[in-house]
Order: sequence, then structure tokens, then C-alpha cells
Amino acid sequence: DTAVSQTPKYLVTQMGNDKSIKCEQNLGHDTMYWYKQDSKKFLKIMFSYNNKELIINETVPNRFSPKSPDKAHLNLHINSLELGDSAVYFCASSQGRGPYNEQFFGPGTRLTVL
Amino acid sequence: AQSVSQHNHHVILSEAASLELGCNYSYGGTVNLFWYVQYPGQHLQLLLKYFSGDPLVKGIKGFEAEFIKSKFSFNLRKPSVQWSDTAEYFCAVKMWDDMRFGAGTRLTVKP
Repeated sequence: DTAVSQTPKYLVTQMGNDKSIKCEQNLGHDTMYWYKQDSKKFLKIMFSYNNKELIINETVPNRFSPKSPDKAHLNLHINSLELGDSAVYFCASSQGRGPYNEQFFGPGTRLTVL
Repeated sequence: AQSVSQHNHHVILSEAASLELGCNYSYGGTVNLFWYVQYPGQHLQLLLKYFSGDPLVKGIKGFEAEFIKSKFSFNLRKPSVQWSDTAEYFCAVKMWDDMRFGAGTRLTVKP
């Protein structure tokens, strides 16, 4: 049983392309997140959605656009990819908002921009 | 600035050695604290968490952590590491919706 799944697992693309990463959770959670992990393993939050509503939007280029069609899905679309976008992107989910809810992470999508 | 600091970037131990990984945070007010582990090529998994109560919390796989409020610390410990503990360890602090991670500590355990 996969709790938080992401597709694709690996994504290799050229600069300037547009790509999407999909995330789905089957935990019944209503809050979902996108994180970026750079080559030094530093993990930084990008976005968070609660009940399909954007609640966290860190300083991220507007080339990145999250979309939540329903509570179980949070997709990440990236326009005009740049070399610096190469990283591992993790989706996560938690039950509700607030400080007490641990986050469950997906397996990650390794994006390589050539 | 609000931050989470993990002072050890890379720790190398032999099997059966004791482990302590440091984590300090600089947020004021009530925080909730987590340690996550990331095995090579895998996603983050929760090791343990602290919300309130006994400041010594026990997690999975023999890990424990101690919250010391006066020192703004939440150090991770294990009395005897195994080769399978080789991984990246992340301390995290959550205020409300916002969870901030430290830079991670890579642990290498030599057999």
C-alpha cells in the first residue's frame, strides 16, 4: 500500500521545457506539501495546500505552479525549466493543519535539467 | 532569523558505537519537534516526535531524543548503531503549518 506516491520517479529534460510532477495520497489527509531537496540535501518547503486551498507559498519563482484538483492530489507544474531547478522534489501530506500533525513523504522525483 | 541548525554535517562511526546528533532551533514560543531519517535513495520517514510531556522521547529502531527547552535543543541519540543506520538524518521544527528542516546530518556506519 503506497501512502504518498509521486510520478515520475525520474525526470530528465532540457532547459526551457515545461514539465509536471504528480502526487497522490491515499491516507485521507487534507493537507499536502511540496518540498525541494537540493544537491546538498537541504530540504525546503515550497507550497502547502489544505482542502485544495493554498496556505503556504514560499518565495518560489512563479514558473512553479501547484494545482490541487482534489484533496488527494497536488501536482506541480514547472514552466521554462532552468538548470537550477535540478533537485529532488518531495510531496508530503498530513492530517489537517496545525503543529501536531506529522508529515508523510512520498518517494521523491529526481528532476535533472540539461 | 528563525532557523534549525544541525551542527554535524557528516558523522562516521563504527558499529556498536554510540550516537548523538545535535539539533538546535531558534524559534520562540511553542514548537513541535521531529526527527526524520532518509535512507539512501528513499523518502523521509519519521523516527520520533515531541509535542509535550516527558522531554525524553523514544522512537523507532532504538532511537531516542531529548528536548531541552533552555538550550533550544532536541538531540538524537542511539546507544549502539548498526550498519543499517547509515542514512541522512533531519531535525525539523513545526510551528503551525510551517515545518522547517535542518540541513541534515549524514551518518556513515562502518561494519
